[in-house]
Formats: sequence, C-alpha cells, structure tokens
Amino acid sequence: GQQLNQSPQSMFIQEGEDVSMNCTSSSIFNTWLWYKQDPGEGPVLLIALYKAGELTSNGRLTAQFGITRKDSFLNISASIPSDVGIYFCAGPNSGGSNYKLTFGKGTLLTVNP
Amino acid sequence: NAGVMQNPRHLVRRRGQEARLRCSPVKGHSHVYWYRQLPEEGLKFMVYLQKENIIDESGMPKERFSAEFPKEGPSILRIQQVVRGDSAAYFCASSPNTPGQGANYGYTFGSGTRLTVV
Repeated sequence: GQQLNQSPQSMFIQEGEDVSMNCTSSSIFNTWLWYKQDPGEGPVLLIALYKAGELTSNGRLTAQFGITRKDSFLNISASIPSDVGIYFCAGPNSGGSNYKLTFGKGTLLTVNP
Repeated sequence: NAGVMQNPRHLVRRRGQEARLRCSPVKGHSHVYWYRQLPEEGLKFMVYLQKENIIDESGMPKERFSAEFPKEGPSILRIQQVVRGDSAAYFCASSPNTPGQGANYGYTFGSGTRLTVV
C-alpha cells in the first residue's frame, strides 16, 4: 500500500524559531493534507494542497505540494508554545477509495519558551 | 454547533471483555469513518460507513471487530474478546459527503477513545 515518510521524527526548538518538516512518498498523491494533533485530542486539518507546485499559507504556517507529487513540506514561522503537538501529513488513496487517508507517523514538535 | 462526539474518552477493559465505542457525527453528516492510532504511529483507516451501510471495511480485522451506523443513533465500533494488542486510540471522523468531491476534504475528527486492555 501507499506509505508516507515524515522527517524529522521529533524537533526541539526555542520559541521564536522557524520550523520545517517534510513528507515523502514512493507513489504519487493528488492531494496533500497537513494535520496537527494536540495531546489527548484528534487531528485537526491545518492546510490542504490540491495542485502540484501549490504553495498555501494559513497564518504562520506555509505548506507546499512538491512538483513531483511525491513530497510536501510544512513550515512554521516564529514558533510559539501552543505550536507544540504532533504534525501529520496525509493523503487520500487514488482511484475509487479516495475517502481513505494514509497518514505519516508524524513529527513531534516541542517548543521551549 | 457540536463537532464529532466520541465516548467514552477513556475505556479500560480486561482481556476477553467487549469494548463498545460510540461516535456521534457532526449534525447533518451522513458519512462516518473509523481510524486506529497505535502509540507513536499515524492513524490507520479501519472502516467507512454511511447510514445503515458499510461501504468499506478493508482496514478492519475480520475477526472480533464490527461497526455499524444505524438509521437512528450513533455509530458503534465493537471489539469482542479484546486482547492487549487492541490497546490504541480510536478516532471517528465524519463528512457531509464523500471526501474528494470538488477537491474538498471535509473530514472532521473527534477527540478519540483511548482503549486500554489490561
């Protein structure tokens, strides 16, 4: 099946720093989704990308859909303590089962105030 | 304007008991999805249901696991004769239509049920 590889697995940064994380796949995805999961909660959609090369922002977050359709990255600028959590990339299966999302294993972000 | 409601938030079961996890979708949403998250892993698809119908259960173990979404009431994920390996967080999501229509991934996830089998 399809797999998504996220890196890094974890990051420890100081408040105010910028963060970059990425997601790669051996197969093509036509949509890339970035979620954040707070401790003890469900994932919340941050950004959705639908076109190769697309660059989309949501406040301090910016994500890009790689031109090869096999990768995506997420940047967070000027991090704050509430950015702490696990960030997942995800993509829908191709074909008739596009309701089914494949998730990466996540990047755990810790922000030191 | 409630989101997806899951209960209980935490559930402890002894090996061999049954676990019943409930999910009330966003009002007006008729599509429900269940995902499982093992420790330090991403979410994995289990089953997709529309009202009274199972559309895709390819991610659900064939034995001991079942799901339903009746005409009235919440969706239920049922695990019979639980084993330690069933310990995980189970998330439900809902959408008003099939995701992907109009490039819209309107999945809303609940806060999950954390199942611990002792």
